[in-house]
Amino acid sequence: GAGVSQSPRYKVAKRGQDVALRCDPISGHVSLFWYQQALGQGPEFLTYFQNEAQLDKSGLPSDRFFAERPEGSVSTLKIQRTQQEDSAVYLCASSWEDGTSGNTIYFGEGSWLTVV
Amino acid sequence: LAKTTQPISMDSYEGQEVNITCSHNNIATNDYITWYQQFPSQGPRFIIQGYKTKVTNEVASLFIPADRKSSTLSLPRVSLSDTAVYYCLVGAVNTNAGKSTFGDGTTLTVKP
Repeated sequence: GAGVSQSPRYKVAKRGQDVALRCDPISGHVSLFWYQQALGQGPEFLTYFQNEAQLDKSGLPSDRFFAERPEGSVSTLKIQRTQQEDSAVYLCASSWEDGTSGNTIYFGEGSWLTVV
Repeated sequence: LAKTTQPISMDSYEGQEVNITCSHNNIATNDYITWYQQFPSQGPRFIIQGYKTKVTNEVASLFIPADRKSSTLSLPRVSLSDTAVYYCLVGAVNTNAGKSTFGDGTTLTVKP
């Protein structure tokens, strides 16, 4: 595709509900990243995939957060038993390369999650 | 972990040149410096990237002194549409190669 596509664009979840956020990276991009961005703050790294392998998940805030990329393209970020502090924008980004310094990553528009 | 420091906010007027400086005292030898722009309700957008000296593209210039402990993003003749948050990112986004963070960015407000 022309860019990184994320869905849903907006999601309102009741506290305790499970949510799934989808990311379609740019076609052919090897690396995929998920970030969480709270209001008024910069993006915070959550996890990183190289193809289907999840090479780093050190930024996931708790075991309620789970990400997968089973075929090395589309990725899903799942949040179980959502809590109010999970309210944020979830950004997906992709890159041709492995994300080492000097590589450019391209972001999607984000999925806005509000937990009520 | 390469930490960056930027001014929280800056104001400018249309047609002026804007310079935003980022401090990164702990930059590593292999680290690049990348600037992103973010509008409300959108994801960050790549502006420019450099390693040393000066880099220029169609939208901005990036000045990096010899010690690389800081960098300056220069936006020539800004317009109202340049109002956005600007992030300085040092190092890799892949934590295998050295984690970097976006910080809280610099909110640039361009006034008519």
